[in-house]
Amino acid sequence: DAGVTQSPTHLIKTRGQQVTLRCSPKSGHDTVSWYQQALGQGPQFIFQYYEEEERQRGNFPDRFSGHQFPNYSSELNVNALWLGDSALYLCASSLRPDNNEQFFGPGTRLTVL
Amino acid sequence: DQQVKQNSPSLSVQEGRISILNCDYTNSMFDYFLWYKKYPAEGPTFLISISSIKDKNEDGRFTVFLNKSAKHLSLHIVPSQPGDSAVYFCAASSLQTGANNLFFGTGTRLTVIP
Repeated sequence: DAGVTQSPTHLIKTRGQQVTLRCSPKSGHDTVSWYQQALGQGPQFIFQYYEEEERQRGNFPDRFSGHQFPNYSSELNVNALWLGDSALYLCASSLRPDNNEQFFGPGTRLTVL
Repeated sequence: DQQVKQNSPSLSVQEGRISILNCDYTNSMFDYFLWYKKYPAEGPTFLISISSIKDKNEDGRFTVFLNKSAKHLSLHIVPSQPGDSAVYFCAASSLQTGANNLFFGTGTRLTVIP
């Protein structure tokens, strides 16, 4: 039973570029949430996807967008990257949006130069 | 605005002794609290949780205590083992903002000394 997987593991981009991160949820899960974890901080909620729609959003600008596919996998897109976007991006999945039990992937480390 | 706070960045404990990790929160709407453990290069792993209708939840060596009036929760690990060495995050959610919208603290690095 595969857990949450994320790709790529590491990524280096320059300011102004765009990036796409990918996530496959745990088998049987239909809800995906994305978090940003800056160095020395706890994860911060970006948004949640369920039934291919964004259901909830944290305090992040429109540069952060996402998508969920029919197979429940998800993408996180960040446009116009700036230095402050450098962080570990975590994907978490759950069975339904109202389920407190979330399983996290290992994350994608994004470095913006 | 940090709604969940872990004021101790690190904690060292001898193997076999008790580890106590603390967490404070400011939002009285939080009704569900969780502890996650994180090893390097891995995502956070769920450890134990507690609903606001309880004041204690136990799972093996791990016990979480909730004091709603003080807006404080703690995680007790007894006895501590070297494999418990990790970063521990406290997290909270509310029905208002959604179960999946977790507010995390900044983490406490626990080192268990053999």
